[in-house]
Amino acid sequence: EVQLLESGGGLVQPGGSLILSCAGSGFTFTSYAMSWVRQAPGKGLEWVSAISSSGGSPYYAESVKGRFIISRDNSRNTLYLQMNSLGAEDTAVYYCAKDVSNYDFWSGYYLGSFDYWGQGTLVTVSS
Amino acid sequence: IVLTQSPGTLSLSPGERATLSCRASQSVSSSYLAWYQQKFGQAPRLLIYGASSRATGIPDRFSGSGSGTDFTLIISRLEPEDFAVYYCQQYGSSPPTWTFGLGTKVEIK
Repeated sequence: EVQLLESGGGLVQPGGSLILSCAGSGFTFTSYAMSWVRQAPGKGLEWVSAISSSGGSPYYAESVKGRFIISRDNSRNTLYLQMNSLGAEDTAVYYCAKDVSNYDFWSGYYLGSFDYWGQGTLVTVSS
Repeated sequence: IVLTQSPGTLSLSPGERATLSCRASQSVSSSYLAWYQQKFGQAPRLLIYGASSRATGIPDRFSGSGSGTDFTLIISRLEPEDFAVYYCQQYGSSPPTWTFGLGTKVEIK
């Protein structure tokens, strides 16, 4: 059974930093690109960042570029999101999500959708 | 690319047919269009990928269609568990970006 378990959320002051983790199990973690998607309270879904299966190709939404860093440790089957210079606009539930296909972004077979999601971890930025 | 979903809210009764629309501001490859269902307090669930392929375990009352800039999700006969918010999502490759629509809420009439 595929499982994604996020951790690391919490209350942080404006300008602060936080690191989220997502532990994957039940699938070959090293074969899949992974993403972070967030959802502000009462709002829709917003893609935040993605990383290729090897970890060599990270991508970011404009809203977080230069502040967030995505990484992965394939030996630990874990995805990370380091969040810096946090502002109130970053308050959201953060989900990690697994790509539906085991092809990376540059492959002609890449599908660009997410078939498994974690339960989410809440990040609240407030003084 | 901006995805515009309509209507914002759909009020229907169990057993009725639901038709949800997702319109893209530019042409989208059908391979890169997906639909998700989200219930309150839960993570999204993939329903449809590649515009028309049902994800694993998704009942056949859910169907997706469309091409270019216009895509549709149809729920043929609403079951009580289908009342939720539905999002369309597309992938753009240059550079890689993923975009969601604002969602359509399907509520019980």
